[in-house]
Amino acid sequence: AQTVTQSQPEMSVQEAETVTLSCTYDTSESDYYLFWYKQPPSRQMILVIRQEAYKQQNATENRFSVNFQKAAKSFSLKISDSQLGDAAMYFCAYRSQMDSSYKLIFGSGTRLLVRP
Amino acid sequence: DTGVSQDPRHKITKRGQNVTFRCDPISEHNRLYWYRQTLGQGPEFLTYFQNEAQLEKSRLLSDRFSAERPKGSFSTLEIQRTEQGDSAMYLCASSLGSNGSPLHFGNGTRLTVT
Repeated sequence: AQTVTQSQPEMSVQEAETVTLSCTYDTSESDYYLFWYKQPPSRQMILVIRQEAYKQQNATENRFSVNFQKAAKSFSLKISDSQLGDAAMYFCAYRSQMDSSYKLIFGSGTRLLVRP
Repeated sequence: DTGVSQDPRHKITKRGQNVTFRCDPISEHNRLYWYRQTLGQGPEFLTYFQNEAQLEKSRLLSDRFSAERPKGSFSTLEIQRTEQGDSAMYLCASSLGSNGSPLHFGNGTRLTVT
């Protein structure tokens, strides 16, 4: 079974600085999707960015980018120019291409604090 | 697009009571998922529907839990004879069901069993 590990329970960043959140996963599959979701205090999960495993190019979405290292099974999220609104729980998630349910398997999350 | 809506936002119940939660997905989404999230943890998959068919149930979904999605629109999650261990946030998500389509989540229903 696939597992997702986020080893940083909490991270802190100064406003306007850059922070990287770590995520590793375990799978024997070669084709899959990886996601980062943000969960602000209001509790609604919002998709931040996604990466298809067959694509070598790292995904980017404005200030958010990933460092996808397939061989190392690592999928970190970099947030540039951090803003107060970035404060939230961040969850890394895995989706198998072999599983037709397309359900997500989540890590335990990283709480990001942004210092003004 | 009004997003995924869940009702109620909060529910406090006494142990042994039955509770029912409702989820209204994004209208064109044919897949609907239920997840459970306990404090300090990531969401855990419970079950999902493709239209009105419930296609998979997690081992976490005990016999006291039942989910329905009549007519493939809204869904309900019922918990019978609630236990304190059922206290959690119950999240609903929907998607188009195509490969790569993301899950869109609702705000969740926070259940507290006293």
